[in-house]
Amino acid sequence: QKEVEQNSGPLSVPEGAIASLNCTYSDRGSQSFFWYRQYSGKSPELIMSIYSNGDKEDGRFTAQLNKASQYVSLLIRDSQPSDSATYLCAVNTYSSASKIIFGSGTRLSIRP
Amino acid sequence: EAQVTQNPRYLITVTGKKLTVTCSQNMNHEYMSWYRQDPGLGLRQIYYSMNVEVTDKGDVPEGYKVSRKEKRNFPLILESPSPNQTSLYFCASSLEGPPGEKLFFGSGTQLSVL
Repeated sequence: QKEVEQNSGPLSVPEGAIASLNCTYSDRGSQSFFWYRQYSGKSPELIMSIYSNGDKEDGRFTAQLNKASQYVSLLIRDSQPSDSATYLCAVNTYSSASKIIFGSGTRLSIRP
Repeated sequence: EAQVTQNPRYLITVTGKKLTVTCSQNMNHEYMSWYRQDPGLGLRQIYYSMNVEVTDKGDVPEGYKVSRKEKRNFPLILESPSPNQTSLYFCASSLEGPPGEKLFFGSGTQLSVL
């Protein structure tokens, strides 16, 4: 089992709809959770971080964390073509406090 | 401008020819790290450094070396590159390191080993 798992996609969502991206992790003691966006040929950039159970909202983005289910998700409301990218879930694992483990990413495509 | 600078952006080399990829940050960050990105495998950590003269192995350190003689620089050295090291490499830094720190990434180095 991978430490951080994501569906590779592609996930195709119509413009204006809600895109829902999911991530599961294996280390129950994980402390910090991140969503990075990576455009094709570019480097990852942080868009959301979440540390406690529940929802965290920032503009059109909402991160959701459920530690009991070891599940973190990212919702993108009013999806725009500029949201088309690969979204990487990253988790700081309890087993090694100096390491962040990345999932393989979900490719999101927003269709006009 | 605050940034992580990697060089070169593209590199084609042959098996066994030593190479160095440079990484420099101007944000006075303590933590620096190298990742490689391969299709379907995501970002995998090669080495990281919590501070000057302090380095440690990540998940895939075989075939790589690093050094941290100065706070701002963290070069990645491939002593004898092999074709399985063909990959996209990213250097990243953060103020103090995990658990809760945002990582700033360089623009990447696409390496091809023939």
